[in-house]
Amino acid sequence: DQQVKQNSPSLSVQEGRISILNCDYTNSMFDYFLWYKKYPAEGPTFLISISSIKDKNEDGRFTVFLNKSAKHLSLHIVPSQPGDSAVYFCAASGASYDKVIFGPGTSLSVIP
Amino acid sequence: NAGVMQNPRHLVRRRGQEARLRCSPMKGHSHVYWYRQLPEEGLKFMVYLQKENIIDESGMPKERFSAEFPKEGPSILRIQQVVRGDSAAYFCASSPTGALAKNIQYFGAGTRLSVL
Repeated sequence: DQQVKQNSPSLSVQEGRISILNCDYTNSMFDYFLWYKKYPAEGPTFLISISSIKDKNEDGRFTVFLNKSAKHLSLHIVPSQPGDSAVYFCAASGASYDKVIFGPGTSLSVIP
Repeated sequence: NAGVMQNPRHLVRRRGQEARLRCSPMKGHSHVYWYRQLPEEGLKFMVYLQKENIIDESGMPKERFSAEFPKEGPSILRIQQVVRGDSAAYFCASSPTGALAKNIQYFGAGTRLSVL
């Protein structure tokens, strides 16, 4: 019963191009969404978040888009850099939840 | 301004032994979460604690696993009588108080448990 899905286990992108990581969720009670980035042998680090009252949030090269009707969000990285190569986790929570539900992650490789 | 500290980073145990994993949250954080990551899988929620209270342990196996976050000292995740299937990376995260602030969690580097 996976409430947060990331259907692409891996993604390869050329340096300088756009990386698009997708995430789908099933629970309509989720109202806050987060992206975390994880390098090998390190813990995840918070990247960017979005509240359900918005459909877009931008922070430098990173933009998250939320489509509530489709229960879908995406993370855009542009331009992609080799240092962006990592596993990206989509996560969701709700006002009535004390915990954050993580997706399985997408491994991004940015090729120089 | 230390982040979330987990120790040990690596822990090797034989089947049947006990494993104790420690987590010191960031200064000022009163919420602690434990996650397990199995190979090739995402982060699975185990337990959410506040000082001296277990708030949500719905992700924790019913047997052999326990967690605490005492008034003083680090949070402890304890696994009794470990089995090979317990081999995983265990991550601790903390967050500050506040209804929305707690959604953003700060992670430690994890403890990699290997059961021989």
